[in-house]
Amino acid sequence: AQTVTQSQPEMSVQEAETVTLSCTYDTSESDYYLFWYKQPPSRQMILVIRQEAYKQQNATENRFSVNFQKAAKSFSLKISDSQLGDAAMYFCAYRSRQGAQKLVFGQGTRLTINP
Amino acid sequence: NAGVTQTPKFQVLKTGQSMTLQCAQDMNHEYMSWYRQDPGMGLRLIHYSVGAGITDQGEVPNGYNVSRSTTEDFPLRLLSAAPSQTSVYFCASSLRLVRDNEQFFGPGTRLTVL
Repeated sequence: AQTVTQSQPEMSVQEAETVTLSCTYDTSESDYYLFWYKQPPSRQMILVIRQEAYKQQNATENRFSVNFQKAAKSFSLKISDSQLGDAAMYFCAYRSRQGAQKLVFGQGTRLTINP
Repeated sequence: NAGVTQTPKFQVLKTGQSMTLQCAQDMNHEYMSWYRQDPGMGLRLIHYSVGAGITDQGEVPNGYNVSRSTTEDFPLRLLSAAPSQTSVYFCASSLRLVRDNEQFFGPGTRLTVL
């Protein structure tokens, strides 16, 4: 079974600076998807960025980018120019490409933005 | 589109009571699922469905029942609530046959079992 681990329960960063959230996963599959979700205090789960395992190029979405290291099974999220609205819980998630579309989530990292 | 809707937003039950958490989507998504979120544990899959009439168990199915009689609705039933089922419950849906598709989440239901 796949597992996802986020080893940083909490992180904080100064507004306008850059922060990196860590995620590692364990799988025996070669083709899969990885995601970062944001959960603000409203509880709504918001997709931030996704990465397909067969793509070597790291995904980027505006101020959000990932560092995908397939051999190391690592998938970190970098947030550049941090904004107050980025404060939230961030979850890393894994999904197999085959079979049912079940998401396996990490434990989450609470990100605080200091003004 | 309303997206994925969940009712109620909050619920308090006594141990042994039963209730149904409602989930509906208006996007014609084949795949629907239920997750629970507990502090420090992320979201864990309870049950899922790949289409009307088809359901299967996820990681933590005990104490929960589901059915999928229509494409739009996927209710989650607690037959005899226990304090261990105190959690926030999320419903999600996605198109099944689309590669690299996104799962859309509902706003969640916070359930407390006393």
